Amino acid sequence: AQTVTQSQPEMSVQEAETVTLSCTYDTSENNYYLFWYKQPPSRQMILVIRQEAYKQQNATENRFSVNFQKAAKSFSLKISDSQLGDTAMYFCAFMTSVGTALIFGKGTTLSVSS
Amino acid sequence: DTGVSQNPRHKITKRGQNVTFRCDPISEHNRLYWYRQTLGQGPEFLTYFQNEAQLEKSRLLSDRFSAERPKGSFSTLEIQRTEQGDSAMYLCASNTILGRGQPGELFFGEGSRLTVL
Repeated sequence: AQTVTQSQPEMSVQEAETVTLSCTYDTSENNYYLFWYKQPPSRQMILVIRQEAYKQQNATENRFSVNFQKAAKSFSLKISDSQLGDTAMYFCAFMTSVGTALIFGKGTTLSVSS
Repeated sequence: DTGVSQNPRHKITKRGQNVTFRCDPISEHNRLYWYRQTLGQGPEFLTYFQNEAQLEKSRLLSDRFSAERPKGSFSTLEIQRTEQGDSAMYLCASNTILGRGQPGELFFGEGSRLTVL
């Protein structure tokens, strides 16, 4: 069974600083997809970034980038130039290449302060 | 594109009553998912449909839970004989499968919050 582990329940960062959220996963599959989702307080979940396991290059979306280490089964999210609007719960998620259910970690609550 | 819509947004019920939630996915999406999320936790997968076929059910989906997607469009999630432990946010999401079997982005609704007294 696939599992996703986020070991940091809460993190805090000042505006304009950089923060890294950690995620590890366990799977016997070779092809799969990894995601980071953001859930702002009382708002719906939105996709931040995705990574295909067959791609060696780390995905980047503006201020958000990932460090994907396939052998170590690690998938961390780096947020550069943090903004107040980045305050949210962040979930790491995993999906097999068959495209079945998205499996989520327990989340990391990120607080960005001025 | 109106996004994924869920109704009702909040339901308060007494233990033992039945409740039903509805999800309207993005119109061109053929896959629809139900998740349950308790406070401060990640969403837990319940079940998903491809068109009208229910393809996977989690062990979390007890006999009191039933989900349908009769015409491959909207879906309903019914909980019978509710228990206090059913109190949670029920999230619906939809996507489609892209070329070469790649999963498209999963779009979530705002959720239906259930409180069982």
